[in-house]
Amino acid sequence: AQSVTQLGSHVSVSEGALVLLRCNYSSSVPPYLFWYVQYPNQGLQLLLKYTTGATLVKGINGFEAEFKKSETSFHLTKPSAHMSDAAEYFCAVSGQGFQKLVFGTGTRLLVSP
Amino acid sequence: KAGVTQTPRYLIKTRGQQVTLSCSPISGHRSVSWYQQTPGQGLQFLFEYFSETQRNKGNFPGRFSGRQFSNSRSEMNVSTLELGDSALYLCASSLGGEGNQPQHFGDGTRLSIL
Repeated sequence: AQSVTQLGSHVSVSEGALVLLRCNYSSSVPPYLFWYVQYPNQGLQLLLKYTTGATLVKGINGFEAEFKKSETSFHLTKPSAHMSDAAEYFCAVSGQGFQKLVFGTGTRLLVSP
Repeated sequence: KAGVTQTPRYLIKTRGQQVTLSCSPISGHRSVSWYQQTPGQGLQFLFEYFSETQRNKGNFPGRFSGRQFSNSRSEMNVSTLELGDSALYLCASSLGGEGNQPQHFGDGTRLSIL
C-alpha cells in the first residue's frame, strides 16, 4: 500500500523567508509524487509532479521539490515566501497504472508580514 | 481551455435524502476521479471512471455510486444521506492511462446534511 506523511500540520514563516514543507512517502513500487495547493473555498491546484527522470522538479509560483529515493522524501521548497503563498499544501502519491491519489494530511502555510 | 466544472457548488440536504453531483472534465480527458474531503478524514478517494467503466474504487459504502457518460462527464450519487456525508466532494480529470498523468481538480461541491 502506498502512503505519504506530511510532517507538521502548520508551518509559519515570515514574508521573504525560506519555505520548507516536508513529505515522506511509502511505496512498494516506483512512485509518482505530486504537490497540490488549496486556497480557501477552492479545489486543488497542481504545483508540481515527479514521475521519472530529473529528481529536482520545478513547479509553478517558484516552488520546487527534490525526489530523494534514499530518504523516501519529496520535500517542497520555495526560496522566498510571499503573502499569497498562504494556503494548505498536500503531498500525494500514485502508483503505476492507477489514477488513485493517496494524499497526506496537509500542511497549512502561514505567512506573516 | 476550460477547467474541470462541478455543479452545484453548494448543496443542503436532510438525512435520508439522496443527492447527485455533476462533473464536466477538461476537454480530451477520459479519466474522472472523485474524492471526499472532510476535516477529520482528509482527502479520500471514492472512485475513478475511464471510458465509462469504473476502474478503481475506494473504501466507501455502496450508498456512494457513480457513472460516466460517453462524453466523459461524470455524476456521483449518494443515497440515504447521513450526517457524516457532509463534506467537500472534489472531482478530478486526467488523460488517464498511467498514474503519472496529473489530475486536475474542480472547485468542488460542498454538501451539508441537516
